Amino acid sequence: KAGVTQTPRYLIKTRGQQVTLSCSPISGHRSVSWYQQTPGQGLQFLFEYFSETQRNKGNFPGRFSGRQFSNSRSEMNVSTLELGDSALYLCASSLVADTTNYGYTFGSGTRLTVV
Amino acid sequence: AQSVTQLDSHVSVSEGTPVLLRCNYSSSYSPSLFWYVQHPNKGLQLLLKYTSAATLVKGINGFEAEFKKSETSFHLTKPSAHMSDAAEYFCVVSDINNNDMRFGAGTRLTVKP
Repeated sequence: KAGVTQTPRYLIKTRGQQVTLSCSPISGHRSVSWYQQTPGQGLQFLFEYFSETQRNKGNFPGRFSGRQFSNSRSEMNVSTLELGDSALYLCASSLVADTTNYGYTFGSGTRLTVV
Repeated sequence: AQSVTQLDSHVSVSEGTPVLLRCNYSSSYSPSLFWYVQHPNKGLQLLLKYTSAATLVKGINGFEAEFKKSETSFHLTKPSAHMSDAAEYFCVVSDINNNDMRFGAGTRLTVKP
């Protein structure tokens, strides 16, 4: 059974550009969450989607947005990139919305470098 | 809101010796607690989880953790470290009130030969 797939694995962008990252959850999983991981801030929650609806959102500016499609695949978009957006972006999926019992399965991440 | 504190940013052990990674949590409700491991340039892998069943939880690769409500702790242990255990370990708390998972800052485990 395929795991959580994130594409691309690596990305280099210039300040001011925008970027779209993709996440394909484990087949059958309906909950998808996104996290930003940086050496200084650690793992920070971005947003969570379940059945195409955003259920939770972390404390990030409006430049960060996301969506989930009917097949549960998810994309996140960052507009007007800043140097501080350089990070590993992790996607995680769960079978149901109740992650208190199931936890998440994480992808390998997309490493974004903004220059 | 729930939170988690990993008491050591870096732990170094010799191969074959015990591992102890410490985690304290704060939660207004009955929490669920998880330990994840992240190897370099990889995503996070679930090691084990506590969800109000047995307080001693056994996970993969010989790791286990004990939930102690009186001490609000969920320390991760392994009797004998292996070189392949060298990685970053994250303690995570989630409560049913908001379904939000809060990650600790991580503990980097180094295993010396």
